[in-house]
Amino acid sequence: DTAVSQTPKYLVTQMGNDKSIKCEQNLGHDTMYWYKQDSKKFLKIMFSYNNKELIINETVPNRFSPKSPDKAHLNLHINSLELGDSAVYFCASSQGALFTDTQYFGPGTRLTVL
Amino acid sequence: AQTVTQSQPEMSVQEAETVTLSCTYDTSESDYYLFWYKQPPSRQMILVIRQEAYKQQNATENRFSVNFQKAAKSFSLKISDSQLGDAAMYFCAYRLPYSGNTPLVFGKGTRLSVIA
Repeated sequence: DTAVSQTPKYLVTQMGNDKSIKCEQNLGHDTMYWYKQDSKKFLKIMFSYNNKELIINETVPNRFSPKSPDKAHLNLHINSLELGDSAVYFCASSQGALFTDTQYFGPGTRLTVL
Repeated sequence: AQTVTQSQPEMSVQEAETVTLSCTYDTSESDYYLFWYKQPPSRQMILVIRQEAYKQQNATENRFSVNFQKAAKSFSLKISDSQLGDAAMYFCAYRLPYSGNTPLVFGKGTRLSVIA
């Protein structure tokens, strides 16, 4: 059983398009995250939701909008895609928002903007 | 700014040998969690081991162990009896215990190759 799943795994699109990446976790966790891994493999937090409420919003362009319809899902919508958005995007979840709660990562979505 | 530094971009080890990956971090906090994550070619991020800063005893998970030196702010990962499946990117990370939520802060990773 997949604990944290993301769709799609690969996404190739043109500049200026709007796209979404979906994330679902079946662990019963309350907290979910989006991370971005750039071409140099550097991983950085983008957003975090706890019980469907946004609790971390790092310096991310407004073109990125997370949506959490319920605790098990955290989707990432990106408007007006730019070349610099090309990266691997990881969803993660944890039992709660405490620093002691281990985060479990999804398989990643490789986004390529042409 | 809180930072995590992995000074070895690449490492290699012979199969069945032992390798140590280094990690240092910078924080003024006294309690926090430290992690090592593994990212194989499949891209999945897999938790290898974690350590809470107030615990003196070094964490161990089968062939993986850490050498946590709090005063030196060092958190190295030792892999014993290396296997081909250990080949991956390894990321060191920490998380601070502020109220609300705090993100994982990652280092830039070390690529480990295992030579048969």
